[in-house]
Amino acid sequence: DVVMTQSPLSLPVTLGQPASISCRSSESLVYSDGNTYLNWFQQRPGQSPRRLIYELSNRESGVPDRFSGSGSGTDFALKISRVEAEDVGVYFCMQATHWPHTFGQGTKLEIK
Amino acid sequence: EVQLVESGGGLVQPGGSLRLSCAASGFSFSNSWMSWVRQTPGKGLEWVANINPDGSQKNFVDSVKGRFTISRDNARDSLYLQMNSLRAEDTALYYCVVGRASRWGQGTLVTVSS
Repeated sequence: DVVMTQSPLSLPVTLGQPASISCRSSESLVYSDGNTYLNWFQQRPGQSPRRLIYELSNRESGVPDRFSGSGSGTDFALKISRVEAEDVGVYFCMQATHWPHTFGQGTKLEIK
Repeated sequence: EVQLVESGGGLVQPGGSLRLSCAASGFSFSNSWMSWVRQTPGKGLEWVANINPDGSQKNFVDSVKGRFTISRDNARDSLYLQMNSLRAEDTALYYCVVGRASRWGQGTLVTVSS
């Protein structure tokens, strides 16, 4: 199985400051169709996960533009340009290129 | 609005069975891949199984192969997960998920314990 490794696992951030989460895969996530099926999710306390970014860098409808996804091959990042209080939660990366689809361990974002 | 409502979870003894259901609405269910994903505090998120729109293709994670079956009823916009020979390590919150996890239900809790 493809192993997804996130860092850091805990991310204390000051309101208004940027934040970045890294995700590395054990194999390339470029699919035979040329797409990279790397997604990012946010899970707020007590809620189901919500997809923020799909196919590496595409924001879901309704996701603020302070969230952005980037990377290539096996190295990926989720960046928040200015953290707001509502961004508290756990962030997961997930690959849907290989079966079984696999998730990172999660990064807990908290406000300092 | 996409809605996914899971049901069927509960407490079951090791070796027992449960059938989870997911009622879908607000999107074209019959044209969508569907999946079950589970979450535990210890192991995190794990993709359990998926099924293609007409039900002819099914994939399972190795840990549930031979024990779990995924199925769907496109006339009822419903997804199912039949879980047999349940083990303690199957204890988790099970989510019904659309496609490559674009939408999630609220989950149904399965607890396997004597």
